[in-house]
Amino acid sequence: SQQGEEDPQALSIQEGENATMNCSYKTSINNLQWYRQNSGRGLVHLILIRSNEREKHSGRLRVTLDTSKKSSSLLITASRAADTASYFCATDDAGGTSYGKLTFGQGTILTVHP
Amino acid sequence: DTAVSQTPKYLVTQMGNDKSIKCEQNLGHDTMYWYKQDSKKFLKIMFSYNNKELIINETVPNRFSPKSPDKAHLNLHINSLELGDSAVYFCASSQAGLVNTGELFFGEGSRLTVL
Repeated sequence: SQQGEEDPQALSIQEGENATMNCSYKTSINNLQWYRQNSGRGLVHLILIRSNEREKHSGRLRVTLDTSKKSSSLLITASRAADTASYFCATDDAGGTSYGKLTFGQGTILTVHP
Repeated sequence: DTAVSQTPKYLVTQMGNDKSIKCEQNLGHDTMYWYKQDSKKFLKIMFSYNNKELIINETVPNRFSPKSPDKAHLNLHINSLELGDSAVYFCASSQAGLVNTGELFFGEGSRLTVL
């Protein structure tokens, strides 16, 4: 079953604006990760936030995690045309063995207009 | 140097045929995976191997048979291809442990089209 659900499904903004994407999940997690996928390419890891962390920054990226609401958000500040891509959240579900069983959401398609 | 490489990038074939996709990683990771991405971009894990041993098999039809000759390689063989097998197949690797999963490194994908 699908773990992560992302919102919105598509987001269109102008260069320089901020983009916020949300992810909700259903079960307890060890960590939550965000990935970017450019059209026709593989996924690229952006950031990982552990279940005991609430906020994390990496360059223009800011990720928050609220385990009580089972939700996370990804904020991209001062967006650029090159940020145009699909963004996926992925959860590393707690309990049992893991060995990389990340469960991905369906993604948010971000379009940044120059 | 490409960290995770998979071949071929594109594969077009007829229903009923058998095909293979190969994957190699040069990152020294112990764990490798196959994920399937459908036309709606939904990404679902199929298999994971840790040090050549099958760890995860997500109720994939047994027409799909992964093989890991060593921890740097994970191949996927598909028998009797069906229309529904059309998708992009991604290989990935990580230093995943028993309890926690870190960052996954993905290949560029192999787009399979079954006619």
